[in-house]
Amino acid sequence: GQQLNQSPQSMFIQEGEDVSMNCTSSSIFNTWLWYKQDPGEGPVLLIALYKAGELTSNGRLTAQFGITRKDSFLNISASIPSDVGIYFCAGRRYGQNFVFGPGTRLSVLP
Amino acid sequence: SAVISQKPSRDICQRGTSLTIQCQVDSQVTMMFWYRQQPGQSLTLIATANQGSEATYESGFVIDKFPISRPNLTFSTLTVSNMSPEDSSIYLCSVEIGDNEQYFGPGTRLTVT
Repeated sequence: GQQLNQSPQSMFIQEGEDVSMNCTSSSIFNTWLWYKQDPGEGPVLLIALYKAGELTSNGRLTAQFGITRKDSFLNISASIPSDVGIYFCAGRRYGQNFVFGPGTRLSVLP
Repeated sequence: SAVISQKPSRDICQRGTSLTIQCQVDSQVTMMFWYRQQPGQSLTLIATANQGSEATYESGFVIDKFPISRPNLTFSTLTVSNMSPEDSSIYLCSVEIGDNEQYFGPGTRLTVT
């Protein structure tokens, strides 16, 4: 079946630094979603992407739909302590359900 | 977007018993989904629940173990039957809104002893 890989698996960064993470697949997807999950909560949708090459921002977050349609990227600028959490990507092909990546765990050092 | 609530938020259950989890949405939606998230893991789709039809289960999940009801466009239930410790997990419902956007409830944290 389809699988997504996320890199890095985890990262520690200094407050104020920029963060980059990515999500890759062996299959082409038509939609990419990025979520953040805090401990004890459900995932919260951050950004949705629908077209290859699309670049979309949500505050300090920017995500891109890779031009090969097999990957997506999420950047966080000027990280703050509340950015701590697990970031999941999800990809979908037409007519199929979303597939979720294993997550990138972000920890911020004060 | 959608506001989704789940009940209970958490429970501790004994082996062999069953628990029914409720999911309520603040708007009418066609597609609802039930996921399982084991500790430290990603989300695994259990089944898709569309109103007016039988739920569609993913490989590895069966109706006898995870019966689902979808009586209307704002509500669904998932039952975890004959529980064992391996069923300890977070169970999440989600809905699809608009153009391929999926929103999640807060989850139900289940511990089976």
